[in-house]
Amino acid sequence: DGGITQSPKYLFRKEGQNVTLSCEQNLNHDAMYWYRQDPGQGLRLIYYSQIVNDFQKGDIAEGYSVSREKKESFPLTVTSAQKNPTAFYLCASSIAGTIYEQYFGPGTRLTVT
Amino acid sequence: DQQVKQNSPSLSVQEGRISILNCDYTNSMFDYFLWYKKYPAEGPTFLISISSIKDKNEDGRFTVFLNKSAKHLSLHIVPSQPGDSAVYFCAAGSRGYNFNKFYFGSGTKLNVKP
Repeated sequence: DGGITQSPKYLFRKEGQNVTLSCEQNLNHDAMYWYRQDPGQGLRLIYYSQIVNDFQKGDIAEGYSVSREKKESFPLTVTSAQKNPTAFYLCASSIAGTIYEQYFGPGTRLTVT
Repeated sequence: DQQVKQNSPSLSVQEGRISILNCDYTNSMFDYFLWYKKYPAEGPTFLISISSIKDKNEDGRFTVFLNKSAKHLSLHIVPSQPGDSAVYFCAAGSRGYNFNKFYFGSGTKLNVKP
Protein backbone atom coordinates (compact mmCIF):
# COMPACT_ATOMS: atom_id res chain seq x y z
CA ASP A 1 0.00 0.00 0.00
CA GLY A 2 1.40 3.36 -1.02
CA GLY A 3 1.11 6.26 1.34
CA ILE A 4 2.66 8.76 3.69
CA THR A 5 3.54 8.00 7.27
CA GLN A 6 4.22 10.49 10.00
CA SER A 7 5.51 9.63 13.40
CA PRO A 8 4.81 9.97 16.17
CA LYS A 9 1.11 10.85 16.22
CA TYR A 10 1.48 12.85 19.43
CA LEU A 11 4.64 14.51 20.66
CA PHE A 12 5.29 16.42 23.85
CA ARG A 13 8.34 18.57 24.47
CA LYS A 14 9.60 21.09 26.94
CA GLU A 15 10.13 24.63 25.82
CA GLY A 16 13.68 25.23 24.60
CA GLN A 17 14.14 21.77 23.13
CA ASN A 18 14.46 21.03 19.44
CA VAL A 19 12.23 18.27 18.14
CA THR A 20 12.22 16.40 14.82
CA LEU A 21 9.04 15.18 13.13
CA SER A 22 9.32 12.27 10.76
CA CYS A 23 7.71 12.01 7.31
CA GLU A 24 8.17 9.07 4.94
CA GLN A 25 6.43 8.35 1.64
CA ASN A 26 6.48 5.39 -0.73
CA LEU A 27 4.47 7.02 -3.50
CA ASN A 28 7.59 7.74 -5.55
CA HIS A 29 6.75 11.44 -5.41
CA ASP A 30 9.52 13.94 -6.02
CA ALA A 31 7.86 16.81 -4.18
CA MET A 32 7.21 16.94 -0.44
CA TYR A 33 5.75 19.59 1.83
CA TRP A 34 5.30 20.51 5.46
CA TYR A 35 2.24 22.38 6.66
CA ARG A 36 1.10 23.63 9.99
CA GLN A 37 -2.54 23.79 11.07
CA ASP A 38 -3.76 25.97 13.93
CA PRO A 39 -7.35 26.16 15.20
CA GLY A 40 -9.56 28.23 12.92
CA GLN A 41 -6.89 28.57 10.28
CA GLY A 42 -6.11 26.89 7.03
CA LEU A 43 -2.98 24.90 6.37
CA ARG A 44 0.08 27.09 6.12
CA LEU A 45 3.16 26.04 4.20
CA ILE A 46 6.37 25.77 6.21
CA TYR A 47 8.85 24.21 3.77
CA TYR A 48 8.71 22.35 0.51
CA SER A 49 11.10 20.28 -1.56
CA GLN A 50 10.78 19.51 -5.24
CA ILE A 51 13.76 17.20 -5.48
CA VAL A 52 16.32 15.45 -3.30
CA ASN A 53 18.92 17.74 -1.72
CA ASP A 54 16.86 20.83 -2.48
CA PHE A 55 14.24 22.60 -0.40
CA GLN A 56 12.69 26.03 -0.16
CA LYS A 57 11.07 28.12 2.55
CA GLY A 58 7.33 28.42 2.55
CA ASP A 59 5.28 31.17 4.15
CA ILE A 60 6.15 30.48 7.79
CA ALA A 61 9.63 28.93 7.80
CA GLU A 62 11.07 30.87 10.74
CA GLY A 63 12.03 28.56 13.60
CA TYR A 64 11.93 25.43 11.43
CA SER A 65 14.51 23.47 9.47
CA VAL A 66 14.30 20.52 7.07
CA SER A 67 16.50 18.13 5.16
CA ARG A 68 15.89 16.05 2.03
CA GLU A 69 18.65 13.49 1.77
CA LYS A 70 16.40 10.76 0.39
CA LYS A 71 13.46 10.90 -1.97
CA GLU A 72 11.28 9.07 0.54
CA SER A 73 12.04 11.17 3.60
CA PHE A 74 11.51 14.81 4.56
CA PRO A 75 12.01 15.35 8.31
CA LEU A 76 11.05 18.64 9.94
CA THR A 77 12.89 20.04 12.95
CA VAL A 78 11.03 22.47 15.17
CA THR A 79 13.72 24.52 16.83
CA SER A 80 13.63 26.46 20.07
CA ALA A 81 13.48 29.62 17.93
CA GLN A 82 9.91 28.83 16.89
CA LYS A 83 7.81 31.07 19.13
CA ASN A 84 4.54 29.11 18.98
CA PRO A 85 5.44 25.52 18.18
CA THR A 86 2.32 23.87 19.57
CA ALA A 87 0.28 22.89 16.51
CA PHE A 88 -0.82 20.06 14.23
CA TYR A 89 1.83 19.34 11.60
CA LEU A 90 1.01 17.76 8.27
CA CYS A 91 3.38 16.35 5.70
CA ALA A 92 2.33 15.94 2.08
CA SER A 93 3.77 14.77 -1.20
CA SER A 94 2.96 15.12 -4.87
CA ILE A 95 4.26 14.73 -8.37
CA ALA A 96 6.69 17.58 -8.98
CA GLY A 97 5.80 20.42 -11.29
CA THR A 98 2.82 22.68 -11.43
CA ILE A 99 -0.53 21.83 -9.95
CA TYR A 100 -0.95 18.28 -8.84
CA GLU A 101 -3.02 17.00 -5.97
CA GLN A 102 -1.08 16.64 -2.78
CA TYR A 103 -1.39 13.54 -0.64
CA PHE A 104 -1.24 14.01 3.10
CA GLY A 105 0.02 11.97 6.00
CA PRO A 106 -2.00 11.51 9.19
CA GLY A 107 -0.25 14.37 10.98
CA THR A 108 1.67 14.88 14.21
CA ARG A 109 0.25 16.89 17.05
CA LEU A 110 3.09 18.65 18.85
CA THR A 111 2.58 20.13 22.28
CA VAL A 112 5.32 22.24 23.81
CA THR A 113 5.01 23.30 27.43
CA ASP B 1 -4.11 38.09 4.52
CA GLN B 2 -6.08 34.98 3.68
CA GLN B 3 -6.42 34.47 -0.03
CA VAL B 4 -8.87 31.62 0.38
CA LYS B 5 -11.76 31.92 2.79
CA GLN B 6 -14.40 29.57 4.05
CA ASN B 7 -16.74 31.80 5.98
CA SER B 8 -18.90 29.09 7.48
CA PRO B 9 -17.02 27.23 10.20
CA SER B 10 -19.76 24.63 10.48
CA LEU B 11 -22.78 23.23 8.67
CA SER B 12 -25.42 20.79 9.83
CA VAL B 13 -27.53 18.83 7.33
CA GLN B 14 -30.03 16.02 7.53
CA GLU B 15 -29.12 12.70 5.97
CA GLY B 16 -30.34 12.47 2.37
CA ARG B 17 -30.44 16.23 1.85
CA ILE B 18 -27.97 18.37 -0.06
CA SER B 19 -24.88 19.81 1.62
CA ILE B 20 -23.44 22.98 0.10
CA LEU B 21 -20.04 24.14 1.22
CA ASN B 22 -18.76 27.49 0.04
CA CYS B 23 -15.35 28.96 -0.59
CA ASP B 24 -14.22 32.40 -1.77
CA TYR B 25 -10.85 33.47 -3.07
CA THR B 26 -9.26 36.82 -3.78
CA ASN B 27 -6.39 36.11 -6.16
CA SER B 28 -7.50 36.20 -9.79
CA MET B 29 -4.36 34.25 -10.75
CA PHE B 30 -5.75 31.10 -9.16
CA ASP B 31 -6.76 28.66 -11.87
CA TYR B 32 -6.96 25.32 -10.11
CA PHE B 33 -9.08 24.45 -7.12
CA LEU B 34 -9.41 21.43 -4.90
CA TRP B 35 -11.53 20.16 -2.07
CA TYR B 36 -10.12 18.01 0.69
CA LYS B 37 -11.95 16.08 3.38
CA LYS B 38 -10.46 15.57 6.82
CA TYR B 39 -11.54 13.27 9.62
CA PRO B 40 -10.34 13.94 13.19
CA ALA B 41 -6.74 12.90 13.88
CA GLU B 42 -6.18 12.11 10.20
CA GLY B 43 -4.60 13.98 7.33
CA PRO B 44 -6.78 15.55 4.62
CA THR B 45 -7.72 13.34 1.70
CA PHE B 46 -8.23 14.68 -1.79
CA LEU B 47 -11.87 14.76 -2.85
CA ILE B 48 -12.37 16.60 -6.12
CA SER B 49 -10.77 19.32 -8.20
CA ILE B 50 -11.69 21.80 -10.90
CA SER B 51 -9.71 23.78 -13.40
CA SER B 52 -10.65 27.34 -14.30
CA ILE B 53 -11.50 26.27 -17.84
CA LYS B 54 -14.56 24.52 -16.43
CA ASP B 55 -17.41 25.73 -14.30
CA LYS B 56 -18.51 22.35 -13.02
CA ASN B 57 -16.94 19.01 -12.20
CA GLU B 58 -18.83 16.00 -10.96
CA ASP B 59 -17.70 12.81 -9.26
CA GLY B 60 -20.46 10.62 -7.95
CA ARG B 61 -22.27 12.41 -5.15
CA PHE B 62 -19.79 15.29 -5.20
CA THR B 63 -19.99 18.26 -7.55
CA VAL B 64 -17.82 21.34 -7.50
CA PHE B 65 -19.03 24.56 -9.10
CA LEU B 66 -16.74 27.43 -10.01
CA ASN B 67 -17.89 31.01 -10.56
CA LYS B 68 -14.80 32.85 -11.75
CA SER B 69 -16.40 36.27 -11.97
CA ALA B 70 -17.46 36.03 -8.33
CA LYS B 71 -14.24 34.25 -7.29
CA HIS B 72 -16.40 31.66 -5.62
CA LEU B 73 -16.55 27.90 -5.59
CA SER B 74 -18.88 25.51 -3.90
CA LEU B 75 -19.00 21.81 -3.16
CA HIS B 76 -22.35 20.05 -3.36
CA ILE B 77 -22.87 16.67 -1.77
CA VAL B 78 -26.06 14.90 -2.82
CA PRO B 79 -27.38 12.95 -1.05
CA SER B 80 -25.52 13.62 2.18
CA GLN B 81 -24.60 10.62 4.30
CA PRO B 82 -23.50 10.42 7.96
CA GLY B 83 -20.07 9.22 6.77
CA ASP B 84 -19.64 12.58 5.06
CA SER B 85 -19.35 14.23 8.47
CA ALA B 86 -15.86 15.73 8.43
CA VAL B 87 -14.03 18.99 7.95
CA TYR B 88 -13.83 20.13 4.35
CA PHE B 89 -11.02 22.36 3.11
CA CYS B 90 -10.92 24.17 -0.18
CA ALA B 91 -7.58 25.02 -1.73
CA ALA B 92 -6.52 27.16 -4.66
CA GLY B 93 -3.40 27.33 -6.75
CA SER B 94 -2.02 28.74 -9.96
CA ARG B 95 -0.31 27.05 -12.87
CA GLY B 96 1.62 30.27 -13.24
CA TYR B 97 3.69 29.48 -10.16
CA ASN B 98 6.81 27.43 -10.57
CA PHE B 99 5.82 24.88 -8.02
CA ASN B 100 2.82 23.14 -6.65
CA LYS B 101 1.71 25.66 -4.04
CA PHE B 102 -1.82 25.74 -2.74
CA TYR B 103 -3.54 28.18 -0.44
CA PHE B 104 -6.00 26.58 1.94
CA GLY B 105 -9.17 27.86 3.55
CA SER B 106 -9.80 27.40 7.26
CA GLY B 107 -12.27 24.58 6.75
CA THR B 108 -15.98 23.93 7.24
CA LYS B 109 -17.07 21.22 9.64
CA LEU B 110 -19.97 19.30 8.15
CA ASN B 111 -22.28 17.31 10.40
CA VAL B 112 -24.75 15.02 8.64
CA LYS B 113 -27.46 13.95 11.04
CA PRO B 114 -29.04 10.49 10.63
